[in-house]
Amino acid sequence: SQQGEEDPQALSIQEGENATMNCSYKTSINNLQWYRQNSGRGLVHLILIRSNEREKHSGRLRVTLDTSKKSSSLLITASRAADTASYFCAVKRSGGSNYKLTFGKGTLLTVNP
Amino acid sequence: DTGVSQNPRHKITKRGQNVTFRCDPISEHNRLYWYRQTLGQGPEFLTYFQNEAQLEKSRLLSDRFSAERPKGSFSTLEIQRTEQGDSAMYLCASSLEVYEQYFGPGTRLTVT
Repeated sequence: SQQGEEDPQALSIQEGENATMNCSYKTSINNLQWYRQNSGRGLVHLILIRSNEREKHSGRLRVTLDTSKKSSSLLITASRAADTASYFCAVKRSGGSNYKLTFGKGTLLTVNP
Repeated sequence: DTGVSQNPRHKITKRGQNVTFRCDPISEHNRLYWYRQTLGQGPEFLTYFQNEAQLEKSRLLSDRFSAERPKGSFSTLEIQRTEQGDSAMYLCASSLEVYEQYFGPGTRLTVT
């Protein structure tokens, strides 16, 4: 079953604006990861945040994690048309079966030039 | 190219036929995963190998599905007697121990 729930399901912004996507999950996790997927293609790993971390940066990406609320957010700053893609959060549970990722349904981001 | 590769990239088959997909992981990765993704959904876990041992199979994997990873290198996923509901993108990923999973480009299966 899908664990992560991304919000919003779709987001349309202008180039240069910031994009924020949220993810909620249900169980205790070892880490949470964000992936990007261009239409019909494979997934590209963006960033991993461990359960004991609260914030992480990578280039124009900023990820936060609030384990008390079981939620995470992905911020893309100064968006570009090339950022147009679907974005998925995936959680790796703590404890048993801690090797597989459980994905949400994704947020479809459209960046208009 | 040192990434995960999958073949074929696209497969169209008629209902009832058998199909086999191949995944070549990143060479030093000992863990290999298969996921399935349908339109508008996120990937769903199918099965997992640590070296050559298949350690978990999802309930999504009916008896018509079988996966192997001989010698702990490449992996194959076979679907027997395909059904229209099997139409999906089949994604393979690999990792070194429990670290980040790197995905291949996927095999898109269409069952007509």
